[in-house]
Amino acid sequence: SQQGEEDPQALSIQEGENATMNCSYKTSINNLQWYRQNSGRGLVHLILIRSNEREKHSGRLRVTLDTSKKSSSLLITASRAADTASYFCATDRYNTDKLIFGTGTRLQVFP
Amino acid sequence: GAGVSQTPSNKVTEKGKYVELRCDPISGHTALYWYRQSLGQGPEFLIYFQGTGAADDSGLPNDRFFAVRPEGSVSTLKIQRTERGDSAVYLCASSSTVENEQFFGPGTRLTVL
Repeated sequence: SQQGEEDPQALSIQEGENATMNCSYKTSINNLQWYRQNSGRGLVHLILIRSNEREKHSGRLRVTLDTSKKSSSLLITASRAADTASYFCATDRYNTDKLIFGTGTRLQVFP
Repeated sequence: GAGVSQTPSNKVTEKGKYVELRCDPISGHTALYWYRQSLGQGPEFLIYFQGTGAADDSGLPNDRFFAVRPEGSVSTLKIQRTERGDSAVYLCASSSTVENEQFFGPGTRLTVL
């Protein structure tokens, strides 16, 4: 079963705009990660944030984590058409390495 | 360097047949994971290995599903008596980091007719 949910389910924006996706999860976590998936095949790791961190940056990506609300957000700044993909959050817990994925946000960036 | 590879990329089979899906992890990665993804959903965990042993197989849906990793490198996911509901993309990932960053292969799309 899915651990979390992303919202929105789908997001359409113009190139240059920022895109924000949210993820909620249900249980205590060790780490939270964001992945990108193109065309329904392999996932690409974007960024990992530990449960004791609140914010992390990587290039045009900014991730926040609020463990009290069991939620995270992914911000992509100055979006590009190449950012068009599905984005998933995934969590793991302290006693296991398996990842539990959310339902995903489909991002469409128009040139 | 080479990433995670999976073969075949596509597999079409008939209901009731047996299939094997193969995963070659990144060299040196001790942890290997199998996930299954249905259309429009996020990946769902099936099983993971640390070395040769299955550390957690709680995601295998029933006893028709079995996976092995005999030498701690390549893994094979085996599905007996396939059913139409087994149709999905089967993803493999490997990891070497303490923080559990997982590197995914391109997946095998299984279609059961």
